Amino acid sequence: AQSVAQPEDQVNVAEGNPLTVKCTYSVSGNPYLFWYVQYPNRGLQFLLKYITGDNLVKGSYGFEAEFNKSQTSFHLKKPSALVSDSALYFCAVRDMRVPGKSTFGDGTTLTVKP
Amino acid sequence: EAQVTQNPRYLITVTGKKLTVTCSQNMNHEYMSWYRQDPGLGLRQIYYSMNVEVTDKGDVPEGYKVSRKEKRNFPLILESPSPNQTSLYFCASSFSRDPYNEQFFGPGTRLTVL
Repeated sequence: AQSVAQPEDQVNVAEGNPLTVKCTYSVSGNPYLFWYVQYPNRGLQFLLKYITGDNLVKGSYGFEAEFNKSQTSFHLKKPSALVSDSALYFCAVRDMRVPGKSTFGDGTTLTVKP
Repeated sequence: EAQVTQNPRYLITVTGKKLTVTCSQNMNHEYMSWYRQDPGLGLRQIYYSMNVEVTDKGDVPEGYKVSRKEKRNFPLILESPSPNQTSLYFCASSFSRDPYNEQFFGPGTRLTVL
């Protein structure tokens, strides 16, 4: 069975500081990892994904994520946070062995204060 | 505009009254999926469809039905809704059945079952 853990319900950072939102995963085969963002009263929007290759993945709005196979982690990062980055962030995993199944973490609320 | 649409956006109903939430995508996507979002539980997959006439259970299928008779539509049916199905529901689609494709989400349907 595949699973995703987002250990922090809430992350608070000051504007201009770097941010990290943590994600760890468990799958039987090779993982396909995703980050999505949800703004209030909106659907989820895709930010970035890891398929294979370079462990550092760059995505939308200046976000990036680092895949670490040994630690089974896929942490979301941004060098300088903006107030407008405040939202709910979800990590998700899929596996070629069961390609239709998609497992999401519980979400992390990011608050960036001016 | 490429999008996933859901109707209705808000619905209040009573226990046992059959209802259908429609989902439609205009991107010719092969894969579609339904999720429910509950506080502290993230997104949980209800059903997914790898292609027309191909559907399969996700993690929380009990009390729900789906059908995929056309590529663009993937309705979610609650034959006899119960209060524990009160939730925020999202439909999503992706280009193909391959698990490395990101998903595009609809705006959500907030369902209350009294």
